[in-house]
Amino acid sequence: GAVVSQHPSWVICKSGTSVKIECRSLDFQATTMFWYRQFPKQSLMLMATSNEGSKATYEQGVEKDKFLINHASLTLSTLTVTSAHPEDSSFYICSATRPGGRNEQFFGPGTRLTVL
Amino acid sequence: QKEVEQNSGPLSVPEGAIASLNCTYSDRGSQSFFWYRQYSGKSPELIMFIYSNGDKEDGRFTAQLNKASQYVSLLIRDSQPSDSATYLCAVTSTGGFKTIFGAGTRLFVKA
Repeated sequence: GAVVSQHPSWVICKSGTSVKIECRSLDFQATTMFWYRQFPKQSLMLMATSNEGSKATYEQGVEKDKFLINHASLTLSTLTVTSAHPEDSSFYICSATRPGGRNEQFFGPGTRLTVL
Repeated sequence: QKEVEQNSGPLSVPEGAIASLNCTYSDRGSQSFFWYRQYSGKSPELIMFIYSNGDKEDGRFTAQLNKASQYVSLLIRDSQPSDSATYLCAVTSTGGFKTIFGAGTRLFVKA
């Protein structure tokens, strides 16, 4: 149990376009979902925390108007990178916690974004 | 001082040896401690969690927690080349509202 999927697994887009990434908990209802970004050979960087039906909480330095998060249901959260630029190219990973747990996070497989 | 500190490595051990990965944390009220493994180009996967002082064993993995010293470790027995990865220590803050990840230790197991 505790499977998290992400779609797409990779995406290439032109500068200035928007890209939407989906994160789904497949076999549980997620208490909370998290979005991370990871540049090559660097550590995970938490971007935001989201709960179903409420606004996401963004980490300091993360632009909420650029990285739009919608947590539409207990099993789905989306991250939209708006007006993407080459510096937004990165590995985006979501994770989720489940009810009754001790806040262990289950990670999706990640989405590799390349902005040309 | 970083909230969760790990030696970045790389830690190199021969196949069959015990790999010892260490982590210290600053929040004395932390209650939950996790170890994740991340292969290159992949996302992290949970391998162990521990809440109580002492040792917790799961197969070849043993997590050790010492809250007084604010120290948590992961031992990997009979290390295999397939264990070569980055190991992330994660600690949940007081109240459980936030999980802080360390930067990870790269482990290389030589065949």
